[in-house]
Amino acid sequence: DGGITQSPKYLFRKEGQNVTLSCEQNLNHDAMYWYRQDPGQGLRLIYYSQIVNDFQKGDIAEGYSVSREKKESFPLTVTSAQKNPTAFYLCASRTSGSNQPQHFGDGTRLSIL
Amino acid sequence: SQQGEEDPQALSIQEGENATMNCSYKTSINNLQWYRQNSGRGLVHLILIRSNEREKHSGRLRVTLDTSKKSSSLLITASRAADTASYFCATDIGGNKLTFGTGTQLKVEL
Repeated sequence: DGGITQSPKYLFRKEGQNVTLSCEQNLNHDAMYWYRQDPGQGLRLIYYSQIVNDFQKGDIAEGYSVSREKKESFPLTVTSAQKNPTAFYLCASRTSGSNQPQHFGDGTRLSIL
Repeated sequence: SQQGEEDPQALSIQEGENATMNCSYKTSINNLQWYRQNSGRGLVHLILIRSNEREKHSGRLRVTLDTSKKSSSLLITASRAADTASYFCATDIGGNKLTFGTGTQLKVEL
């Protein structure tokens, strides 16, 4: 069954701790994206990657880091520099070419302990 | 800043009625996309309409695009309780990334 898997579904972070959110896709998509969604809000782009070993900052990259060592995987690290990390994090992927939709995982909800 | 703004922010209707949501945007686009999000879940793609298209249908969904007014509308006909969700428009202005609006929360009551 093709799709995008995000884990864990719920995550708790202590003060000063870095945490990593997993995103794996078996759709053979080149591009992958990380979004942050706050309650009642739309999605804001954190980072995106159009190809392996390359990624670009989105609109709110400060306090986050990513890697793209494999086509299937695009993990997001929320660092201790991100002072307000409580949010719903969504990963998406997209095939190459113009006029293509994005496919989303079911998200990770991050909270502060 | 948000490229797309949906209107209304919230909409409550009875089952069987039609629901219309609007999206306005600011700059020229390659395409505009509509997504649905059920509570606590990821987004699901509904329809993509290209900048040179004016109307598109998919089942009970109808999307229109007016590039001169920089606006789009999503019509859901004969709504069902299962249509209860948040609906987002997203604009593609190039660079292989989307900019999402703030969403319309639709509630369909029995």
